[in-house]
Amino acid sequence: GQNIDQPTEMTATEGAIVQINCTYQTSGFNGLFWYQQHAGEAPTFLSYNVLDGLEEKGRFSSFLSRSKGYSYLLLKELQMKDSASYLCAVTYPTGANNLFFGTGTRLTVIP
Amino acid sequence: DSGVTQTPKHLITATGQRVTLRCSPRSGDLSVYWYQQSLDQGLQFLIQYYNGEERAKGNILERFSAQQFPDLHSELNLSSLELGDSALYFCASSGTTGVTGELFFGEGSRLTVL
Repeated sequence: GQNIDQPTEMTATEGAIVQINCTYQTSGFNGLFWYQQHAGEAPTFLSYNVLDGLEEKGRFSSFLSRSKGYSYLLLKELQMKDSASYLCAVTYPTGANNLFFGTGTRLTVIP
Repeated sequence: DSGVTQTPKHLITATGQRVTLRCSPRSGDLSVYWYQQSLDQGLQFLIQYYNGEERAKGNILERFSAQQFPDLHSELNLSSLELGDSALYFCASSGTTGVTGELFFGEGSRLTVL
């Protein structure tokens, strides 16, 4: 829902940097979340962007451009344990009581 | 550990049956959200409760219902089960009425309908 679009799968090498993009419907947009989900496990929170710009948190950074309806999650110094699905999720004021998730990007980190 | 507890972790049942999934939110959280995640699909929002009252409804089927009790735990009831209901069902909690910050997810209940 909400036209949230992210690549289905990505592969990257251990120690490298990978960028996972997400686009969404801008009309009425409120905020954007990134969650990490290992197979069969619960999603865990990575970041929340409301304002334009880059938020850095250790090896992970998230960027938002509200006018372009675009976000990315940047993972640096990739580790094997980073192999997981990365979920982009957005909130809108009219749907403020729920979070709309994209289908997720399955990242595989190879040696 | 997110602090959100879901039971059972796994459940196998037959078509036409009814099951109840249970969720205990983090201590102090008043909002409970239910999500369904089918194989290779994104998390689909089902329903949200805040302090015992329904606050938002998503793509929840009429065969499904939920409630939040005075002690703030919540139950999701799934009836007349179909093969397509097989999925991971997640509960999440937060301290606010709306999604203004992080949602804390439980480990999920994996339902298999045979």
